[in-house]
Amino acid sequence: KNQVEQSPQSLIILEGKNCTLQCNYTVSPFSNLRWYKQDTGRGPVSLTIMTFSENTKSNGRYTATLDADTKQSSLHITASQLSDSASYICVVSLSGTYKYIFGTGTRLKVLA
Amino acid sequence: DAGVTQSPTHLIKTRGQHVTLRCSPISGHKSVSWYQQVLGQGPQFIFQYYEKEERGRGNFPDRFSARQFPNYSSELNVNALLLGDSALYLCASSFGTSSYNEQFFGPGTRLTVL
Repeated sequence: KNQVEQSPQSLIILEGKNCTLQCNYTVSPFSNLRWYKQDTGRGPVSLTIMTFSENTKSNGRYTATLDADTKQSSLHITASQLSDSASYICVVSLSGTYKYIFGTGTRLKVLA
Repeated sequence: DAGVTQSPTHLIKTRGQHVTLRCSPISGHKSVSWYQQVLGQGPQFIFQYYEKEERGRGNFPDRFSARQFPNYSSELNVNALLLGDSALYLCASSFGTSSYNEQFFGPGTRLTVL
């Protein structure tokens, strides 16, 4: 069964600290993996996209890694800011299809 | 440039009623997808339309239907509403149907079924 699991479910950190979010997937055939940021009550916004041949991708303070062998990805946030408070969703797409498998997300709260 | 727009932003209905949600894609985008996001969960795929044709359908009952117009805007219709249909309905547009095309999401329509 194609699944995307994320951990932790929720996370609270202090402003300025770093954090890492995890994503494990059992999706085949794999096409690409995206990380989205979703503010409360808003639509998701894409942060990074990686294909199986890419093992790291950065977007400002966000760095995503991908290990296609172990089917794991992580999103590292550096020097967190209050505006980073949001849900972060890992999405894997199936090769040759329109299908996207969404994880349930990690809810991040950054405190001053 | 305007992003993906959706209307209405909020909607309250009662069980058994019908609802129509609307989406306008980013100019130049020909593909529109619909997702249902229940509170605390990730979005679940409902439909994808491209050039006015249905290209994909998720695991949703026939009470859910959609269509895409010549200007690429789209409507999602849900009949015989159930309490479990309460969710945030997201529309996403992209240039094409390839999974490499980035999907841009609208702000969503919050549907509450009483």
